[in-house]
Amino acid sequence: DSGVTQTPKHLITATGQRVTLRCSPRSGDLSVYWYQQSLDQGLQFLIQYYNGEERAKGNILERFSAQQFPDLHSELNLSSLELGDSALYFCASSVEGGQADTQYFGPGTRLTVL
Amino acid sequence: DAKTTQPNSMESNEEEPVHLPCNHSTISGTDYIHWYRQLPSQGPEYVIHGLTSNVNNRMASLAIAEDRKSSTLILHRATLRDAAVYYCILRWYSGGGADGLTFGKGTHLIIQP
Repeated sequence: DSGVTQTPKHLITATGQRVTLRCSPRSGDLSVYWYQQSLDQGLQFLIQYYNGEERAKGNILERFSAQQFPDLHSELNLSSLELGDSALYFCASSVEGGQADTQYFGPGTRLTVL
Repeated sequence: DAKTTQPNSMESNEEEPVHLPCNHSTISGTDYIHWYRQLPSQGPEYVIHGLTSNVNNRMASLAIAEDRKSSTLILHRATLRDAAVYYCILRWYSGGGADGLTFGKGTHLIIQP
């Protein structure tokens, strides 16, 4: 158990819909990362937040957005969903977000878009 | 990110040592070498990281070449639980911190009983 929690575990929705994925980091971790894992693209970094502020952006689509709240939990919002958005979404947390930091990953949310 | 190259797959026997290689010939002086693994149906898991010197922890050892252009993750006594995809990742210093991890395809490690 990494200490990072993600809800829900599974989500099934239809194209065009909007969903919100939630992540609670490990106690004391200030940095939260979101990743997408699909069969064709592998594991891709989407976005990073540090202490409530956006710090880095990866391959995140404009239809996707995220935020980190004062209690440090984070939400990833996916809108206008397409079939290709079906994937595993992982959240990770680390103490500061530096290059020597260890990232701890949650169990993931499996999103299926029908 | 500097690029890493790993074999697609490797096979080993249970209770034997496993040496997983990683080439990173374009590594810069401030890049850290990280290893993560992903067990089936789980999120990635940190294994070990280092900068210049060899590193040991309870999970594995990391041997870094003197020129830092390659490294080897060593599992001293593989168990069936070590069957996973192993990712070698370089992280660089970008002033304000580091971006997310850039995962390649990794090495699929198969452990035979």
